[in-house]
Amino acid sequence: NAGVTQTPKFRILKIGQSMTLQCTQDMNHNYMYWYRQDPGMGLKLIYYSVGAGITDKGEVPNGYNVSRSTTEDFPLRLELAAPSQTSVYFCASSYSRTGGEQYFGPGTRLTVT
Amino acid sequence: SQELEQSPQSLIVQEGKNLTINCTSSKTLYGLYWYKQKYGEGLIFLMMLQKGGEEKSHEKITAKLDEKKQQSSLHITASQPSHAGIYLCGATFSSNTGKLIFGQGTTLQVKP
Repeated sequence: NAGVTQTPKFRILKIGQSMTLQCTQDMNHNYMYWYRQDPGMGLKLIYYSVGAGITDKGEVPNGYNVSRSTTEDFPLRLELAAPSQTSVYFCASSYSRTGGEQYFGPGTRLTVT
Repeated sequence: SQELEQSPQSLIVQEGKNLTINCTSSKTLYGLYWYKQKYGEGLIFLMMLQKGGEEKSHEKITAKLDEKKQQSSLHITASQPSHAGIYLCGATFSSNTGKLIFGQGTTLQVKP
């Protein structure tokens, strides 16, 4: 199993550009999450999904959109990139909402200039 | 203010020394998770605690959850350079969604 994979690993965007961060898991997990990590701030939840077709906002959803058409994929869309979205983005998945660990991808480092 | 506070924010220890990292919640936890992150990489799961008073160990790392389920500690015995990294605690506050709220992380350096 590859686990949770994310693409791209690095990306530089200009202000106002759009992009999609890809996330795929091959563990048949229902629960998937997107976090962003800023220096000294831990991780903040952007969006999450409890199954295909169901998504909901986390702590910091503004400026982002998600979709979940399949169990495996959970892409994160940035429509109008802003410097405040410069961060490292992590996707995670879990098989249980009540006690299972979350498995994390390797992250995407995004810079908006 | 953070729902989950970690202390200290950073730590430098000599190889072989013991150390403790604390994670304090402003409200009762449903579950508490400890993760480790090496620079530029994703998070690696260490341990999960759910019951008040629970204690778990893996190799030289021990995690405890207090009886009131509002504070957890991570203790490393006889630290090694391989223990260096960022330690993050994450918490769930209900059983509904599995959403994790994270502390700000503790950066650990171990000097050989």
